[in-house]
Amino acid sequence: EDKVVQSPLSLVVHEGDTVTLNCSYEVTNFRSLLWYKQEKKAPTFLFMLTSSGIEKKSGRLSSILDKKELSSILNITATQTGDSAIYLCAVKLNSGYALNFGKGTSLLVTP
Amino acid sequence: DTEVTQTPKHLVMGMTNKKSLKCEQHMGHRAMYWYKQKAKKPPELMFVYSYEKLSINESVPSRFSPECPNSSLLNLHLHALQPEDSALYLCASSQAVSETQYFGPGTRLLVL
Repeated sequence: EDKVVQSPLSLVVHEGDTVTLNCSYEVTNFRSLLWYKQEKKAPTFLFMLTSSGIEKKSGRLSSILDKKELSSILNITATQTGDSAIYLCAVKLNSGYALNFGKGTSLLVTP
Repeated sequence: DTEVTQTPKHLVMGMTNKKSLKCEQHMGHRAMYWYKQKAKKPPELMFVYSYEKLSINESVPSRFSPECPNSSLLNLHLHALQPEDSALYLCASSQAVSETQYFGPGTRLLVL
């Protein structure tokens, strides 16, 4: 059975801290790993990772995939209260249509 | 532009009502999806349309009926729903089924 596990499940940090969110997967026929940020409603696309070791960066957010370790991390530096959200990791397989989501990491950034 | 729009934003319906959720995208995407998300859970795939044809139905009860009138529109018709169907219903689209999915803002549905 395909599995995507995120850790930690929840995290509380102070503004300005750096956080690292983890996603590990056990799937057959891996195609890509995606990170989404979900605030009150829709998940917003952050990154898609297909190749190991290549960092994707967008402002204070960055992410990297390690295919050997079957995992990915999402880093957020100099956190702000607006970063408070649930961060979802999802894995896309070569077969099928679904995104296999992890349970998400709930991040709260306090002032 | 990566915008997927959904209407209505909120919907309250009784168990005997018939209602429809609408989703629209103008990105030229050829794959569109319906997901259901319960509180504190990740989204669960319900239906996938690829090139306006239903490609997958993830064992969803028949009280949910999808429709894809054209490549930009996706509807979800609701009939005789149960209170446990209350959830956030998300629409997504992608260039093709293998590509990144972009989500709409969702419709929060409450069934009384």
